Amino acid sequence: EAGVAQSPRYKIIEKRQSVAFWCNPISGHATLYWYQQILGQGPKLLIQFQNNGVVDDSQLPKDRFSAERLKGVDSTLKIQPAKLEDSAVYLCASSQHAGLYNEQFFGPGTRLTVL
Amino acid sequence: AQSVTQPDIHITVSEGASLELRCNYSYGATPYLFWYVQSPGQGLQLLLKYFSGDTLVQGIKGFEAEFKRSQSSFNLRKPSVHWSDAAEYFCAVNAGNMLTFGGGTRLMVKP
Repeated sequence: EAGVAQSPRYKIIEKRQSVAFWCNPISGHATLYWYQQILGQGPKLLIQFQNNGVVDDSQLPKDRFSAERLKGVDSTLKIQPAKLEDSAVYLCASSQHAGLYNEQFFGPGTRLTVL
Repeated sequence: AQSVTQPDIHITVSEGASLELRCNYSYGATPYLFWYVQSPGQGLQLLLKYFSGDTLVQGIKGFEAEFKRSQSSFNLRKPSVHWSDAAEYFCAVNAGNMLTFGGGTRLMVKP
């Protein structure tokens, strides 16, 4: 079974530019998550989707971050405009369903460097 | 709100030695607890999880963890470390449908 796919793996941009990350979850997984992992810290949830609807985006900085999962399968996370403090690894994860018992499977992440 | 503390940022052990990684959590109700491992350039992989029942849980790669409610702890252990165990380890608590991670412990293994 294929795992969670993410692209690109690395991205370097200058501040105030925009950037987009793509995630393709495991086939059949209804729930998709985006996490931000700053160097030296644990991942922090940005947004959770159930199919194509948002379940939780309370920690998403909505003035510059946006995410969508239009057809309930793959997802895109966008930052516009980027700030220096957005430098981090962006992890995508998926699970069969939402809920405490459902294991989340993580992709390899996209490492973003903002100069 | 829930929180997770991993007091040790770095730990170095010799290959073949035993390992214990500490994790303390703060949550008002019964927590659902997890340990993940992250190798360089890789995503997080689930090692083990605790939902209820037996407080000693077994995971993959020879790891185990013990839930101690009185100490609000969920420490990860392995009796004999292999060089391939060098990685970063994250403890996490799931409450209200959201995973909260600790800051991680980086494990280095000496030959």
